[in-house]
Amino acid sequence: QSALTQPASVSGSPGQSITISCTGTSSDVGAYNYVSWYQQHPGKAPKLMIYDVSNRPSGVSNRFSGSKSGNTASLTISGLQAEDEADYYCSSYTSSSTWVFGGGTKLTVL
Amino acid sequence: QVQLVQSGAEVKKPGASVKVSCKASGYTFASYGITWVRQAPGQGLEWMGWISGYNGNTNSAQKLQGRVTMTTDTSTSTAYMEVRSLRSDDTAVYYCAKNTGITPYYYMDVWGKGTTVTVSS
Repeated sequence: QSALTQPASVSGSPGQSITISCTGTSSDVGAYNYVSWYQQHPGKAPKLMIYDVSNRPSGVSNRFSGSKSGNTASLTISGLQAEDEADYYCSSYTSSSTWVFGGGTKLTVL
Repeated sequence: QVQLVQSGAEVKKPGASVKVSCKASGYTFASYGITWVRQAPGQGLEWMGWISGYNGNTNSAQKLQGRVTMTTDTSTSTAYMEVRSLRSDDTAVYYCAKNTGITPYYYMDVWGKGTTVTVSS
């Protein structure tokens, strides 16, 4: 199972919006609405930000939103804040009953 | 509150085995699965496998099959991940994470803090 494809890095200024894409195949992202997004700060465990494509867990800011079209899922962060600077990973359930992660995207807040 | 407490860091020689534990609290262990994920230094997350807290059913990544064994002890609400025939590229932080349901398609919501495993001669 190949990793999902994410841009290596994205950046934005405080207050701006950014979008991180996550491209898979018809056997994972395109097959199920089981796409999650995780935020990871250096030296910390991943934190769930979005589940089932577009749902936010309790406690996660509504500045974070998710969507999907075909084999590509997206995470949008609006009103960028300094604390949003982190690595972001998408993950998808697959037709092999496994999960696959994206390679990760480093978000820099300028 | 839901918590996953992992065992401490390990240093192993190539060819040895390591067994990492993950003790769950704050929820009914048998009603959810546990997923194992690892992260090599400076690299991304890698899904390793899943185990049911109910009946011990497992599914693991193809590249690790034959070297990895996942088990649970429901009496202590603890999950275990054993990796055999360790190689240098098994050096990583190993995370356990709770699934939000009892089948593998449920996403992972709560994560342990991670266990660092270093493989070095």
